[in-house]
Amino acid sequence: DAGITQSPRYKITETGRQVTLMCHQTWSHSYMFWYRQDLGHGLRLIYYSAAADITDKGEVPDGYVVSRSKTENFPLTLESATRSQTSVYFCASSPTSKPDTQYFGPGTRLTVL
Amino acid sequence: AQRVTQPEKLLSVFKGAPVELKCNYSYSGSPELFWYVQYSRQRLQLLLRHISRESIKGFTADLNKGETSFHLKKPFAQEEDSAMYYCAPSNAGNNRKLIWGLGTSLAVNP
Repeated sequence: DAGITQSPRYKITETGRQVTLMCHQTWSHSYMFWYRQDLGHGLRLIYYSAAADITDKGEVPDGYVVSRSKTENFPLTLESATRSQTSVYFCASSPTSKPDTQYFGPGTRLTVL
Repeated sequence: AQRVTQPEKLLSVFKGAPVELKCNYSYSGSPELFWYVQYSRQRLQLLLRHISRESIKGFTADLNKGETSFHLKKPFAQEEDSAMYYCAPSNAGNNRKLIWGLGTSLAVNP
């Protein structure tokens, strides 16, 4: 489980500020994912990445930006945070050999005031 | 559209009682199906996948293609089973992506 980490674990910010959530994995998994978890909505995919420099939108990408310059890192940036982006954010990774099995980070609880 | 439904938001049972968490999916083709679990203060983790036909922590799940269901069952619930359970079929067009249900919160009472 220590193979995928997220930072910070908790973040409070204000509307309009830029926030970056970090995700790091040590397994060299090809695929990485960002989800948000909200009551009544379950897990919703924001963005995913098949490899370094390859990213694609998920269900709810608006207001978010991702990058993947290195295989092990997949940061998620909220360019101008809004209250509706208050959520718990989970990063996950998936190995090539088991494409459907995702390994999750511990989550980041983000509050936008 | 591909959808997965977990009809119970909350399921409460007593210790030692059987438990069944329901999952129905609407799908074309043959998806891979998974159950993930999130214990309190822990990260989401894979519980089992139907292709493995395994029993994990006493849980089993049978794929019923006719009913398009993948219910999770355990004959004797334990208090440590209390958690949030998510059913997640793989996306038919892209098996790297999972379609997530809204989850069922299981509470096992002493």
